[in-house]
Amino acid sequence: EAQVTQNPRYLITVTGKKLTVTCSQNMNHEYMSWYRQDPGLGLRQIYYSMNVEVTDKGDVPEGYKVSRKEKRNFPLILESPSPNQTSLYFCASSLMAVVNSPLHFGNGTRLTVT
Amino acid sequence: GNSVTQMEGPVTLSEEAFLTINCTYTATGYPSLFWYVQYPGEGLQLLLKATKADDKGSNKGFEATYRKETTSFHLEKGSVQVSDSAVYFCALSVASNDYKLSFGAGTTVTVRA
Repeated sequence: EAQVTQNPRYLITVTGKKLTVTCSQNMNHEYMSWYRQDPGLGLRQIYYSMNVEVTDKGDVPEGYKVSRKEKRNFPLILESPSPNQTSLYFCASSLMAVVNSPLHFGNGTRLTVT
Repeated sequence: GNSVTQMEGPVTLSEEAFLTINCTYTATGYPSLFWYVQYPGEGLQLLLKATKADDKGSNKGFEATYRKETTSFHLEKGSVQVSDSAVYFCALSVASNDYKLSFGAGTTVTVRA
């Protein structure tokens, strides 16, 4: 089944404790992206990757890191999480970053930082 | 910059009622427009899209027409069902911005039997 898989689904952590949210897609997509969803703000892009070893900042990259060493994986790293990073996170992928290539989303990771 | 404004929710309807969710946009360049839907506990799914002025996107009984003169892309459905309860997001992308999707805040729709 074609899908984007994120893990974990739920994560509670404390301020300053490094964490990684994994994202994997099995569709051979070139384009991958991370979003955070907050009430009243919709989805905001954190980072994106047009292809392997190519990553770029989105609208809200501060406090996050990503890497794209393999085509299928695009982990999101929070080196020192803070409470303002409490949010619902989505990974997404598409065949390529063009208008006729719809984004496929994972089911989300709900992160709470205390 | 590029931005999307959609009507605030929540919206509560009875089954078989008519649904309209307003969406307007500002964009530098010539955008493509999308509606995504998020069912409870799931990620977003593409519902429909339109890539040029006067195009009408349609899917699952939903429709939206790309109106360049009013910079709008309103979502409509003539007769909603309980299964249409979800959060709906309007979004745009432009080629000059790496086709990055800019999303509206989302509108929560609840349909009661």
